Amino acid sequence: NAGVMQNPRHLVRRRGQEARLRCSPMKGHSHVYWYRQLPEEGLKFMVYLQKENIIDESGMPKERFSAEFPKEGPSILRIQQVVRGDSAAYFCASSVNSGRADTQYFGPGTRLTVL
Amino acid sequence: AQTVTQSQPEMSVQEAETVTLSCTYDTSESDYYLFWYKQPPSRQMILVIRQEAYKQQNATENRFSVNFQKAAKSFSLKISDSQLGDAAMYFCAYRSAMGYGGSQGNLIFGKGTKLSVKP
Repeated sequence: NAGVMQNPRHLVRRRGQEARLRCSPMKGHSHVYWYRQLPEEGLKFMVYLQKENIIDESGMPKERFSAEFPKEGPSILRIQQVVRGDSAAYFCASSVNSGRADTQYFGPGTRLTVL
Repeated sequence: AQTVTQSQPEMSVQEAETVTLSCTYDTSESDYYLFWYKQPPSRQMILVIRQEAYKQQNATENRFSVNFQKAAKSFSLKISDSQLGDAAMYFCAYRSAMGYGGSQGNLIFGKGTKLSVKP
């Protein structure tokens, strides 16, 4: 059973470009979470999605960031007009559901570097 | 809002010895989950152990065990018979067990403890 897949593993963008990060959850998982890890910090929650729905985006910056989890295909975290402060590791996690038995399993992360 | 604090930025242990990593948290909720995640140099986040707040018994996974003190809001991780492969960043995390909807699914992480294992 394949784990959570993220691609690309490393992404380099120049200021002002767009970054698209992809996350394929584990088989049978319908809940996806995105987290951001700045250098020397713990992970910070960004957004929680189910198929075709954003459940909680309270951790998402108001501008330039968006996320989706379509009916078919991976979840996408999109960052428009990137700035140097967006440089970080972005992790995706998935779970079967959000009930009591839920455990989040993490992907390997995408390291975004903004030049 | 809930917070998680790891007061030890770095720890060191001799191979085969035992080490305890500290974690405290703040919450007004009575029902929640606590986790320890390991992040080796590969940066992959790996679940080490999980504790349900409603369970009094401390969770154990092979060489890893926790000391869960609900009243004190403390959740320490004990690693026995430390191995070189245990060297990593360790993150303590909290998740609410509130009903469906809202932010109950989010993990709230501490800043981590970097564990070194000396041969």
